[in-house]
Amino acid sequence: AQSVTQLDSQVPVFEEAPVELRCNYSSSVSVYLFWYVQYPNQGLQLLLKYLSGSTLVKGINGFEAEFNKSQTSFHLRKPSVHISDTAEYFCAVSPKGGSGGTSYGKLTFGQGTILTVHP
Amino acid sequence: ETGVTQSPTHLIKTRGQQVTLRCSSQSGHNTVSWYQQALGQGPQFIFQYYREEENGRGNFPPRFSGLQFPNYSSELNVNALELDDSALYLCASSVVGEWETQYFGPGTRLLVL
Repeated sequence: AQSVTQLDSQVPVFEEAPVELRCNYSSSVSVYLFWYVQYPNQGLQLLLKYLSGSTLVKGINGFEAEFNKSQTSFHLRKPSVHISDTAEYFCAVSPKGGSGGTSYGKLTFGQGTILTVHP
Repeated sequence: ETGVTQSPTHLIKTRGQQVTLRCSSQSGHNTVSWYQQALGQGPQFIFQYYREEENGRGNFPPRFSGLQFPNYSSELNVNALELDDSALYLCASSVVGEWETQYFGPGTRLLVL
């Protein structure tokens, strides 16, 4: 089974400031890691994903995340935020192929972090 | 644009009724999953369909059921609606050869009164 903890429910920040949204996970098997963004009254948009290889992954809209296996973390960062980044962000994991049985492809989400960018 | 569409966008039902939600994805998206997102929560996995067969289920009762059709469309059916079924229902599909990555539709918001 997997679980995901997003350490901050709300993160307020000023425009052009850097931001980090924190995510820790727990799993008995190897996992893929994802960040999704949800704008008000919309579905989820994939920001970035870690499948294998380099632990630093870059996504859309200038976001990046670093996978830290020893700390089971996958924190999301952006060096300079914009008003349009205001949204809710979700960290998620899914079991890797061959290790998840019928759970393969099943996403387990955190509770979400609301990022509010102030002018 | 993910190419995943859902209908209807909003729906109001009363307790005890039945509801059918629909999802349509692109050619080549042969895996579809459904998620329930209650207000203020992260999405929770309901079930997944692959080649028209259920391929994994979350912690949801049997009154939640689904279908996947050969034309890349899918349905989520919920019987005997309860107040706690009020939520945003999200459909997600995966591309052949990349099926660890799921692309979400805009969702259907269901309100049960």
